[in-house]
Amino acid sequence: RKEVEQDPGPFNVPEGATVAFNCTYSNSASQSFFWYRQDCRKEPKLLMSVYSSGNEDGRFTAQLNRASQYISLLIRDSKLSDSATYLCAVNVMDTGRRALTFGSGTRLQVQP
Amino acid sequence: GAVVSQHPSWVICKSGTSVKIECRSLDFQATTMFWYRQFPKQSLMLMATSNEGSKATYEQGVEKDKFLINHASLTLSTLTVTSAHPEDSSFYICSVIQKAGDNEQFFGPGTRLTVL
Repeated sequence: RKEVEQDPGPFNVPEGATVAFNCTYSNSASQSFFWYRQDCRKEPKLLMSVYSSGNEDGRFTAQLNRASQYISLLIRDSKLSDSATYLCAVNVMDTGRRALTFGSGTRLQVQP
Repeated sequence: GAVVSQHPSWVICKSGTSVKIECRSLDFQATTMFWYRQFPKQSLMLMATSNEGSKATYEQGVEKDKFLINHASLTLSTLTVTSAHPEDSSFYICSVIQKAGDNEQFFGPGTRLTVL
């Protein structure tokens, strides 16, 4: 089983739609959680960190469910510019290892 | 956030040659840098953790003699792919952590390596 799993998609949605992505992680010791956005042939860029209480940034809402070991990302009012691959990432600190473990990404295509 | 650069942004080389990729943190001193590799349609996979002034820590399955990492200064880490082969063709990305207590990582723009 992969440490971090995502539905690869693609998710094809019309402009203005609401779309949600889930990401599951296997290590219960995971401590930090992030959503990154990656455009084609570019580096990942941090979209938002995910906090235990859930957090919102404009049209984007992230939530964490520790009991079920998943994080989610909700995008409201999708724009054409939201088309990208969304990567979830987790960090496990118990071994002192600070690197991130990424999911394989979910591709979103917003259509006019 | 931190500003990270990589050079070159892309490189094409013949099989058997060695390629050096540089990762620089431009606006702060990074004691720790990470090197990732991403194959098409796959996720980023951590290759190694580069620590300034000490040996890099490699992930399982990554050959340390093939992927040489040098982190000689607080602003520069280099990854050398020795005797590159076509299966080494990939997108190589470095990242840094800005502050010791932080978990947020900032990524360089990546280097696309194509080995013919």
